Amino acid sequence: EVQLVESGGGLVQPGGSLRLSCEGSGFTFRNYWMSWVRQAPGKGLEWVANIKQDGSETYYVDSVKGRFTISRDNAKNSLYLQMNSLRVEDTALYYCARGFSRWGQGTLVTVSS
Amino acid sequence: IVMTQTPLSLSVTPGQPASISCKSSQSLLYSDGKTYLYWYLQKPGQSPQLLIYEVSNRFSGVPDRFSGSGSGTDFTLKISRVEAEDVGVYYCMQSIQLRTFGQGTKVEIK
Repeated sequence: EVQLVESGGGLVQPGGSLRLSCEGSGFTFRNYWMSWVRQAPGKGLEWVANIKQDGSETYYVDSVKGRFTISRDNAKNSLYLQMNSLRVEDTALYYCARGFSRWGQGTLVTVSS
Repeated sequence: IVMTQTPLSLSVTPGQPASISCKSSQSLLYSDGKTYLYWYLQKPGQSPQLLIYEVSNRFSGVPDRFSGSGSGTDFTLKISRVEAEDVGVYYCMQSIQLRTFGQGTKVEIK
């Protein structure tokens, strides 16, 4: 069974940093593009970033460029999102997604003073 | 690319059909001949689940009452007979240029 388990969310002050992790199981992790998608409370879905199978290509939504970094460790079946210079508007449930088809349950990031 | 869904909410009697429109600001037809338009359903309290990929292909396990159609910039998701378990928010998404989602269409049962 395909599983994606996110972790690392929490409460952080504006300007702070957080690193999210997503561990995949039940599939060959290195074969898939991976993404982060977020959902602010009561709002719709917003794609944040994605990364190619070997990590050689990464893409970001404009609002996080220069602040967030997506990375992966295929040996550990893990996806990461390093989030720096966090803003109140980054508050959201962050989902890890395998390609287009499978999503984790999300980890909540709250940016507040 | 901006994705625009209509309507934003829908109230449907069980057993009746439902239809959601999604329009993109640019064509989603790629040079490989595929059109990169997807439909997701987010049930209350759950993660989004893939229903339809590349306009009209049902994902594994998706009931055949769900169908997708369209081309270029205009797409439609149809539910032939709505059931109680179909409630939630439906999103279209494009992946020809990065990824963007529509605003979502909330479907409820009358």
